[in-house]
Amino acid sequence: DSGVTQTPKHLITATGQRVTLRCSPRSGDLSVYWYQQSLDQGLQFLIHYYNGEERAKGNILERFSAQQFPDLHSELNLSSLELGDSALYFCASSSGGKDYGYTFGSGTRLTVV
Amino acid sequence: GQNIDQPTEMTATEGAIVQINCTYQTSGFNGLFWYQQHAGEAPTFLSYNVLDGLEEKGRFSSFLSRSKGYSYLLLKELQMKDSASYLCAVSLGGRAAGNKLTFGGGTRVLVKP
Repeated sequence: DSGVTQTPKHLITATGQRVTLRCSPRSGDLSVYWYQQSLDQGLQFLIHYYNGEERAKGNILERFSAQQFPDLHSELNLSSLELGDSALYFCASSSGGKDYGYTFGSGTRLTVV
Repeated sequence: GQNIDQPTEMTATEGAIVQINCTYQTSGFNGLFWYQQHAGEAPTFLSYNVLDGLEEKGRFSSFLSRSKGYSYLLLKELQMKDSASYLCAVSLGGRAAGNKLTFGGGTRVLVKP
C-alpha cells in the first residue's frame, strides 16, 4: 500500500456520461497530481494541485476538471465521455521535497463503451 | 516543448545486464527520475539523479550527464520479475512547474529465460 488511495479501481460507463474519480493523498502530502495513461502510452500530465490551489495544467481537455478539497483529497471530473477517454487515470502525491518524486496510487481504469 | 526519448522495447536474458537510455530536452531541470511499472499497475520509484554521475542501488544503477541531457538505467543480474516498463521522468522544477514530472514514453523490458 503506497498510502495514496484511488477509488474506484474500475469504472465502465457509456459515451456521453460523466464520472468522478477520487484520490486521497499520502498523509502529510500537500500536492496531488493527475495523470492519464492510455493503452501502451506514456503518462500524460493533466493537472497539479497544491494545498487546495491549482498549480499547473497540462494537456487537460475542457471536458475534464479537478479540484482539491480542504482535507486535501482530490477529485477528477470527466464529462461528455468519449471512447478515447478510456485509460488508466493515476493520482500521485508529493510532499514537495525534490528527492523522491511522487508516490502513485493504484489507478482507476476507466472504460467508455 | 519538452522532449524525453527512450527506446520502446528491449529484450534480455535472465542473469544478464540491460542498459536503458534516456535523452531529454526540457525547458528546466530539477532532477531525473526512473520508475518501474508492471502492466496495469502503478509506477514505483527506482532512482533519482540531480548531479552528474552514477547512483547505485542494489541491482539497479542510474547515471546522469546534465551537459549531454542523458541518463541511463542499468539493470544487473536480470530476473524474470524485472519484466516491466521503465519510465524516465524529468522534474522541471520551479514554483510554476510545481515540481511536475514529465515522463518519457517508457521502455518495455522483456526478460527471457
